[in-house]
Amino acid sequence: GAVVSQHPSWVICKSGTSVKIECRSLDFQATTMFWYRQFPKQSLMLMATSNEGSKATYEQGVEKDKFLINHASLTLSTLTVTSAHPEDSSFYICSAKRGQGFNTEAFFGQGTRLTVV
Amino acid sequence: GIQVEQSPPDLILQEGANSTLRCNFSDSVNNLQWFHQNPWGQLINLFYIPSGTKQNGRLSATTVATERYSLLYISSSQTTDSGVYFCAVRGNRDDKIIFGKGTRLHILP
Repeated sequence: GAVVSQHPSWVICKSGTSVKIECRSLDFQATTMFWYRQFPKQSLMLMATSNEGSKATYEQGVEKDKFLINHASLTLSTLTVTSAHPEDSSFYICSAKRGQGFNTEAFFGQGTRLTVV
Repeated sequence: GIQVEQSPPDLILQEGANSTLRCNFSDSVNNLQWFHQNPWGQLINLFYIPSGTKQNGRLSATTVATERYSLLYISSSQTTDSGVYFCAVRGNRDDKIIFGKGTRLHILP
């Protein structure tokens, strides 16, 4: 299967600082990537859809100024949590869609566990 | 938007038992995938199955798109099968992949 790599796997940061999470598709090009957030023992909630070369589309209730998404190339999307607070602590997972169109398989990174202290 | 419901929410079985997990969705889908989330959070792709039946070892899945449901079968369960199983779908209206709430499976030795 296709490989999506997310980095870092875990990060601890102080309140008020910013953290950048990278999502790379290693063996395929992804025009579209997705960012999810998962709280303990809950499902994955879609935060935003990242399209290469254009602005991300955010889901309702997600602050675009807090969660900055950049999809600068066909293999890399980044999520920056700005001015992090303890309530931003969570598990963040990215996904990349292989191929165009709606009927394509999505592959997921290994996730990033963010702890804000 | 499209709604995804999974059942049961929790399932406890003895090792060796068989299990069936269900995923219902509220609208037509172009994509349906089953995942297993391991204890470290990694989502493992099990099946990409917008329709039809597929098998991979002890696991198989069937999606009846016209009736808007999918089933994941696990036979001869092993303790390593424990974890959360998610169904995720992409509808016809947009590119979003929406997850169900998952089924938490516990296989007892």
